[in-house]
Amino acid sequence: AQKITQTQPGMFVQEKEAVTLDCTYDTSDPSYGLFWYKQPSSGEMIFLIYQGSYDQQNATEGRYSLNFQKARKSANLVISASQLGDSAMYFCAMREVSGGYNKLIFGAGTRLAVHP
Amino acid sequence: EPEVTQTPSHQVTQMGQEVILRCVPISNHLYFYWYRQILGQKVEFLVSFYNNEISEKSEIFDDQFSVERPDGSNFTLKIRSTKLEDSAMYFCASSGTGLVSGDQPQHFGDGTRLSIL
Repeated sequence: AQKITQTQPGMFVQEKEAVTLDCTYDTSDPSYGLFWYKQPSSGEMIFLIYQGSYDQQNATEGRYSLNFQKARKSANLVISASQLGDSAMYFCAMREVSGGYNKLIFGAGTRLAVHP
Repeated sequence: EPEVTQTPSHQVTQMGQEVILRCVPISNHLYFYWYRQILGQKVEFLVSFYNNEISEKSEIFDDQFSVERPDGSNFTLKIRSTKLEDSAMYFCASSGTGLVSGDQPQHFGDGTRLSIL
């Protein structure tokens, strides 16, 4: 079974508009972390935002916010005021804490295109 | 801001040859990782390393793969006898300044693109 599901292979948004990238996850571990990474066409992986399973508030980092709905097991990334430089591949990832393992499990990614 | 550094950025190797990918993690990090991404596919975990030993490895990380931290700064991934299907982008990552690193993100290097001919 997929641990991380990103159902949108591609999305587009108009510059300056907000966009939501979906991510659902599956785990029986009560303690876990959710991450979003950006991968531009140049290939590097850039950390954007983190949400812990016990965090009471949704994470925010500048124009990025995470809409965390624990009961639905979803952790959607919201990008406000999109910029042309936001065009990239976006990956959702999860870390299960039990057992002390640190590996990240990635989703298949969503390719975002920002149009002027 | 400190960053993870990977060299080389691109490596072309003949099938069957050994290749060593190099990484310099962020200096005060304690956990080190290798991931790979085959072109157009998702990022896959290979191995994690802590306290000078492998803490976890995936089924991809077979006997052809090994990791080493030869000194206080470098972290290497060796592929002993490369195959065509080893062609991928290989990412090194590091995290964790303490024992509990769940709330500390893994910071990735820019990757090494490995092409096997």
